[in-house]
Amino acid sequence: DIQMTQSPSSLSASVGDRVTITCRASQGISNYLAWYQQKPGKVPKLLIYAASTLQSGVPSRFSGSGSGTDFTLTISSLQPEDVATYYCQKYNSAPFTFGPGTKVDIK
Amino acid sequence: QVQLVESGGGLVKPGGSLRLSCAASGFTFSDYYMSWIRQAPGKGLEWVSYISSSGSTIYYADSVKGRFTISRDNAKNSLYLQMNSLRAEDTAVYYCARDGGTYSLDYWGQGTLVTVSS
Repeated sequence: DIQMTQSPSSLSASVGDRVTITCRASQGISNYLAWYQQKPGKVPKLLIYAASTLQSGVPSRFSGSGSGTDFTLTISSLQPEDVATYYCQKYNSAPFTFGPGTKVDIK
Repeated sequence: QVQLVESGGGLVKPGGSLRLSCAASGFTFSDYYMSWIRQAPGKGLEWVSYISSSGSTIYYADSVKGRFTISRDNAKNSLYLQMNSLRAEDTAVYYCARDGGTYSLDYWGQGTLVTVSS
């Protein structure tokens, strides 16, 4: 099975900073990659699908890129409400594995 | 609006069984693939199972294969997860989620807690 990794596992940044999270697949998955945000105590929320398409209603400061094995989620200007854990998920074929998550907080 | 409401969680002894339900509303349930995802306390998300719109295609994570059974009743707008031979490591919040047709899970329920303990 294809394994998903994320880096870093956690980060602390200042409000307004540009934040980049990396997701790597152990084999190519084309662009079948989704990103989710889970705020503390809340349900996961879809941010990006097909590696780079922003889900409706998601602020434009979030963006995704990549294809094949390497993907990135970027927050262009970190806001206090972005404190959350971010997960990538492969969706090319089962099992639809999630990455281990990246916890983002404010410095 | 799209709503997914899970039920059926609770405390069960190791080796026991539990059946989770997910009631869907606000969309044409029979048009969408569905998944179950779980999250152990303080841990990350783990995909558990997937079922196609007609129920003809089903997948499971290796960790639950042979013990869990996913099913759906499109007439009742409901998704199910039958969980047998439960283990302590199955303790988690179980979410049902809709595959939005964009190779992603676009709506999630609030989750139901399953605790496996003697």
